[in-house]
Amino acid sequence: QKEVEQDPGPLSVPEGAIVSLNCTYSNSAFQYFMWYRQYSRKGPELLMYTYSSGNKEDGRFTAQVDKSSKYISLFIRDSQPSDSATYLCAMLLYGGATNKLIFGTGTLLAVQP
Amino acid sequence: DTAVSQTPKYLVTQMGNDKSIKCEQNLGHDTMYWYKQDSKKFLKIMFSYNNKELIINETVPNRFSPKSPDKAHLNLHINSLELGDSAVYFCASSQGVSGGLSTDTQYFGPGTRLTVL
Repeated sequence: QKEVEQDPGPLSVPEGAIVSLNCTYSNSAFQYFMWYRQYSRKGPELLMYTYSSGNKEDGRFTAQVDKSSKYISLFIRDSQPSDSATYLCAMLLYGGATNKLIFGTGTLLAVQP
Repeated sequence: DTAVSQTPKYLVTQMGNDKSIKCEQNLGHDTMYWYKQDSKKFLKIMFSYNNKELIINETVPNRFSPKSPDKAHLNLHINSLELGDSAVYFCASSQGVSGGLSTDTQYFGPGTRLTVL
């Protein structure tokens, strides 16, 4: 079993839809929970991060963490064609100098105009 | 200004060859990483260096040898290339942490698409 499992997709939604992207994890030692966005043929870029259970909002994006269920989600409201990308959840395993990011397998999202 | 840059962007080579990928960051970060992303988009860490010192080596075949001449550069040399090495290789950097918990945000380069024929 992988440490981080992500809904594989792909997802295709119409413009304006609400998108829900989800990951589960098995390691209770993960400290930070992140979402990276990766456009085609580009490197991943950090979108949001959360530390504790609960919601964190940034514009149209909301990151949700439920540590008791080991479940994280990213919601995108009023989705736009420019949101079309692969979304990768990532968990930070803190170890001082040996911090390690463990990624999910990514969900490809296509927002149709 | 490009924060994390990699060269080359594309690399096509024959099995058995030796090749190198270079990475440079101008963010003043202490830690640099190499990741491999396979055809299914799974991104997995290979190595990390902190101030030129190898910190993480994730059971990567010893045909892969990273080298960090200074903390702004991390190169990856691959010997005797195999078909299974075909992937996109990403370099990343972060500030690193010296005591205390932080997000240690990693910034990724644009990737090097390696194709082994």
